[in-house]
Amino acid sequence: AQKITQTQPGMFVQEKEAVTLDCTYDTSDPSYGLFWYKQPSSGEMIFLIYQGSYDQQNATEGRYSLNFQKARKSANLVISASQLGDSAMYFCAMREVPSGNTGKLIFGQGTTLQVKP
Amino acid sequence: EAGVAQSPRYKIIEKRQSVAFWCNPISGHATLYWYQQILGQGPKLLIQFQNNGVVDDSQLPKDRFSAERLKGVDSTLKIQPAKLEDSAVYLCASSLASGGYNEQFFGPGTRLTVL
Repeated sequence: AQKITQTQPGMFVQEKEAVTLDCTYDTSDPSYGLFWYKQPSSGEMIFLIYQGSYDQQNATEGRYSLNFQKARKSANLVISASQLGDSAMYFCAMREVPSGNTGKLIFGQGTTLQVKP
Repeated sequence: EAGVAQSPRYKIIEKRQSVAFWCNPISGHATLYWYQQILGQGPKLLIQFQNNGVVDDSQLPKDRFSAERLKGVDSTLKIQPAKLEDSAVYLCASSLASGGYNEQFFGPGTRLTVL
């Protein structure tokens, strides 16, 4: 069965420093996608970055990059040059690419990130 | 482009009462999702629609929860009767299609408190 594990309930980082949020996953399907979402205190889920299981290179989107280690089944999010506005809850999620599958997202428990000035 | 709209934003009811939530997805998005997010946890999918058909409701407590998307556009999620453990944020999301890389866009959510 699919499972996403985020082992860091809370993280602190100094403004302008980089931070890594951990995510490990478990799936038996060779074809899947990994997502990271940000959820500020206002509650909306904001899509940050996507990595497909067959993508050769690690995904990057601005200050966000995904450290994808397929053999270890990890998909850590790296935020460079942290800003105060990065303080939020971060969720890792996985979707098995459907072939007869609905493609639903399975979310981890989340990591709360606090950026210190 | 307008985002996913949800209403109400907040709702407080007593246990055993009924409640309904409404969602209007992004125009043209065929797939609509309802998630339940209990405090301190990640969202859990309750039901997924493709146009007006249900493709996954395996985690929907069907004895008390129901959802519909009659015209393949907006959707309603109902709880009847509510229990204390239904207190959560109910998130609606939509995407162009299901699967692969199809980004899900989320609404602001409805925060339900059951007393």
